Amino acid sequence: DVKVTQSSRYLVKRTGEKVFLECVQDMDHENMFWYRQDPGLGLRLIYFSYDVKMKEKGDIPEGYSVSREKKERFSLILESASTNQTSMYLCASRGVYEQYFGPGTRLTVT
Amino acid sequence: GQQVMQIPQYQHVQEGEDFTTYCNSSTTLSNIQWYKQRPGGHPVFLIQLVKSGEVKKQKRLTFQFGEAKKNSSLHITATQTTDVGTYFCAGPYSGGSNYKLTFGKGTLLTVNP
Repeated sequence: DVKVTQSSRYLVKRTGEKVFLECVQDMDHENMFWYRQDPGLGLRLIYFSYDVKMKEKGDIPEGYSVSREKKERFSLILESASTNQTSMYLCASRGVYEQYFGPGTRLTVT
Repeated sequence: GQQVMQIPQYQHVQEGEDFTTYCNSSTTLSNIQWYKQRPGGHPVFLIQLVKSGEVKKQKRLTFQFGEAKKNSSLHITATQTTDVGTYFCAGPYSGGSNYKLTFGKGTLLTVNP
């Protein structure tokens, strides 16, 4: 079974802090994704990585950056967290065509 | 950019009733995928449709892809409480990487036992 894990289920940070969200997949997938999920807005793509050290912006990249130094790990970075970044963050990796999601990190910025 | 519209946003049914959610795209899709997210859970892949007019079944779930490949539907026959969750459709981005998906906003299904 494909497994996608995320470093934290719940995270509380203060405004202005630098936040790292980590995602690891164990299936040697090349493509990985970061989404945020908000009520009424569905899943919105923040960033996409198609290979190690390769990345592409999604629909809402402002305020975020990513890092992919190893194939299995894709990190989402909030350089200076703001309250409007309070959300559920979901990581995914792509198999043949389907995406496998991690359990999500619910981030609260106070 | 491409949009995938999904209706209804919410649907509440009595157990045993049928349920349908519809997905419409502003552009022709090469394929469409469906995912289910249980309350408190994460999206789980259900199926991919590729061919025009394609119909696929998974037990009580029937998935259809429109002839023009711009719309799709998911129909659940005789809902059960285990069907509760949000159902998302997703199509590939147009004009960009084919690996990225654009998701509909989902239909939240609740079932009254």
